[in-house]
Parts: sequence; structure tokens; C-alpha cells
Amino acid sequence: NAGVTQTPKFQVLKTGQSMTLQCAQDMNHEYMSWYRQDPGMGLRLIHYSVGAGITDQGEVPNGYNVSRSTTEDFPLRLLSAAPSQTSVYFCASRAGSGGYNEQFFGPGTRLTVL
Amino acid sequence: LAKTTQPISMDSYEGQEVNITCSHNNIATNDYITWYQQFPSQGPRFIIQGYKTKVTNEVASLFIPADRKSSTLSLPRVSLSDTAVYYCLVGGRNQGGKLIFGQGTELSVKP
Repeated sequence: NAGVTQTPKFQVLKTGQSMTLQCAQDMNHEYMSWYRQDPGMGLRLIHYSVGAGITDQGEVPNGYNVSRSTTEDFPLRLLSAAPSQTSVYFCASRAGSGGYNEQFFGPGTRLTVL
Repeated sequence: LAKTTQPISMDSYEGQEVNITCSHNNIATNDYITWYQQFPSQGPRFIIQGYKTKVTNEVASLFIPADRKSSTLSLPRVSLSDTAVYYCLVGGRNQGGKLIFGQGTELSVKP
């Protein structure tokens, strides 16, 4: 299994541009999430999904959209990039059944907005 | 969602045992306690999870008192490679996919 994969690894955008960060998992996990991590800070939850067609907001959803059309994919869209969105973005997935399952993280996308 | 409180940073030396305590006073009956480790420039990775008493795996031990309002992650005989940020999470089935990370504890292991 490849686990959780994210593309691209690095991205530089200009203010106002839009883009989509890709995330895919091959573990048939129900739950997927997007986090951002600013330098020297902890992770903050942006959006999450508990299954195909179901998404919800996390702690910092403004400026981002998500959709979950398949179990495997959970793309994150930046609508109009701003310098405040410069961060490392991590996608994660977990099984969702049972008590509380291990969450697997992707390698991250390092985004710089100029 | 149960709020967690951890020390911001800790220092240790190689070969010592390190104990990191997490407070979670409003933990719910269905909540589990999970610890993650994050190295620089990498995503967090699961270390250990428990519900009550003591859990041990090849990496760490997790001690949870009877009232479950706190937990302690114990790393035996740390090495330089254990330098990382450690996060305590509290949650369970009722929260669905919404897992919130706190600020974590930055552990620095010195030679």
C-alpha cells in the first residue's frame, strides 16, 4: 500500500491565484482530514470527511473548499490564495470504525503564497 | 471535545527516561487517549493509544490513572532520534472525523 499520498510536494502561488492540493489514500479509510501547520506551530484542522459525499468544517475552514466524491480522494481547493495561507498542508486518513483508530498522515505539501 | 494541556517543551539527555504528562479534565466516557510523534518536515505518526490503566508497545508506555483526567507518555532510554514534538489527543467514536491537535510538547534530547 502507498498509504496517504499528496501532490504537489511544493508549490508557490501568487496572491489571488487558486489551486487544488491533491490527497489520495489506498487503505479504504472512511475518514479523511486536512490540516495546516504554520512554522513552529501545531496542526489545525481545516476540513474533514466521514465518507464519500460528506464533509464538514474544522477549526480554520475559511478560504478553503473540499469535496469527497470517492472514498480514495479528498482534494483541498484554495479559492483565492493569500499570504496568510503560506503553510504546510497535511492530509490524513483513518478507518473510522471501532473505538478510535490510528490516523495516517501524508508527507505534506509546502505552500508559499507571495 | 476534550481540551488537552501539555508542557510546551522538555529537555532530556540520552539514556534517560522521559515522561510527558497530558491533562484532559473533561474527558468523556467514550474517549480514548492517543499520542502522536512528529519529526521536523514530516507528518505526525501514531505512537500509542489507551483507554485506561497501562498500555505498552515497542516504542512507549502510556499510563492512565483511574479518573482518566490525565495521562503520561513514557519513553524509556531516549536517544537523539527521539527529538520531536509529541501530541496528546483525546477523542472517540462520538467525534467522527473531527480530531483536534493541541500545541504539543517539543522534546529535545541532548547528548
